[in-house]
Amino acid sequence: LAKTTQPISMDSYEGQEVNITCSHNNIATNDYITWYQQFPSQGPRFIIQGYKTKVTNEVASLFIPADRKSSTLSLPRVSLSDTAVYYCLVGGTGGGNKLTFGTGTQLKVEL
Amino acid sequence: DTGVSQNPRHKITKRGQNVTFRCDPISEHNRLYWYRQTLGQGPEFLTYFQNEAQLEKSRLLSDRFSAERPKGSFSTLEIQRTEQGDSAMYLCASSRPGPGGYEQYFGPGTRLTVT
Repeated sequence: LAKTTQPISMDSYEGQEVNITCSHNNIATNDYITWYQQFPSQGPRFIIQGYKTKVTNEVASLFIPADRKSSTLSLPRVSLSDTAVYYCLVGGTGGGNKLTFGTGTQLKVEL
Repeated sequence: DTGVSQNPRHKITKRGQNVTFRCDPISEHNRLYWYRQTLGQGPEFLTYFQNEAQLEKSRLLSDRFSAERPKGSFSTLEIQRTEQGDSAMYLCASSRPGPGGYEQYFGPGTRLTVT
């Protein structure tokens, strides 16, 4: 599985856009990029997944450049409730995939 | 609520005792996963079931750990002769059949404390 590198922590203020970048230099051709969010004392929650270019859903956007060696999770207009740990994962989407989590990025949103 | 449920939510046990946790996945999900998470770390894969078949176990999973999913629905994770190093949050997740195994739905976890 491709190794990922992301910042340990980030700080932001309510209403700002937050971009968390993940590096995955050894990503394989059939690997997808997936982001999870985890609040304290809860299990992780799937946010978004993409393969290339841009993917957008109701909570986030995922930007993937042409070389796919990095990706950026964009959270628009964050609120206090977005304070959480965000994990970037890389791997295939075939059935039965175990998830390999790193240490994630602790996002802290303040007033 | 039809999400993944886990019981108990908290378990305190003495070293050397056996403990068993239960996971009830989302009903139409045929895949079920167990993970372990310690403070400050991301979840770590333990084992995976497709229906009742246990298809993969982590090499990190000692022989004291065993998991079952007897009818392809709920699953149990048993830890025998618990050690203090087993203290962690044990997470269960499930996912749908077919492609998209990376979208897993996690339960709230069982926090184990071994004294």
